[in-house]
Amino acid sequence: AQKVTQAQTEISVVEKEDVTLDCVYETRDTTYYLFWYKQPPSGELVFLIRRNSFDEQNEISGRYSWNFQKSTSSFNFTITASQVVDSAVYFCALSEAQSSGNTGKLIFGQGTTLQVKP
Amino acid sequence: DSGVTQTPKHLITATGQRVTLRCSPRSGDLSVYWYQQSLDQGLQFLIQYYNGEERAKGNILERFSAQQFPDLHSELNLSSLELGDSALYFCASSLRGGGPGDTQYFGPGTRLTVL
Repeated sequence: AQKVTQAQTEISVVEKEDVTLDCVYETRDTTYYLFWYKQPPSGELVFLIRRNSFDEQNEISGRYSWNFQKSTSSFNFTITASQVVDSAVYFCALSEAQSSGNTGKLIFGQGTTLQVKP
Repeated sequence: DSGVTQTPKHLITATGQRVTLRCSPRSGDLSVYWYQQSLDQGLQFLIQYYNGEERAKGNILERFSAQQFPDLHSELNLSSLELGDSALYFCASSLRGGGPGDTQYFGPGTRLTVL
């Protein structure tokens, strides 16, 4: 069973639109961490945010914001006033404490390709 | 720039061959991770090392092996290569014990093409 699901394969928006990327995860662990990474066309993976399972506070960083809801097992990512430079593949990832044997194994979703048109 | 370096950037080889991918972690990081990104499998965890010792194993084929050296750089060895091994191979590193809460910083990747 897929542990991290990013149901949106591709999203296309026009610059300055707001866009939300969905991430739904599945775990039986009580301690876990969620991450978002960005993969621009150049190919590298860039870390965006880490959230632990005990902290449901939403986070905002500039135009980026994240909404973590344990009740729905979701960790969604919103870009406000999107820009062409936001065009990339975005990955949500899960790291489980107990199931992984307390290792750093990351379980990635399939990724969402975001295209921001000028 | 994450501070993680990977060489080579591109590698083209033939089926049946063996290659070695190299990774240098960020200064001070003790944990190294290897991931494979392919079109059909997505991003898959292969293996993790912490301070020279294997810490966790994922979906790594028996034809693949890795090690972390005393200077903390790591190598991923891929042998008896098949067409399906063509992928982007990422190395990542993290500072602390390599636990689930550690943030992993990724290198630029090595793109392997098996012809």
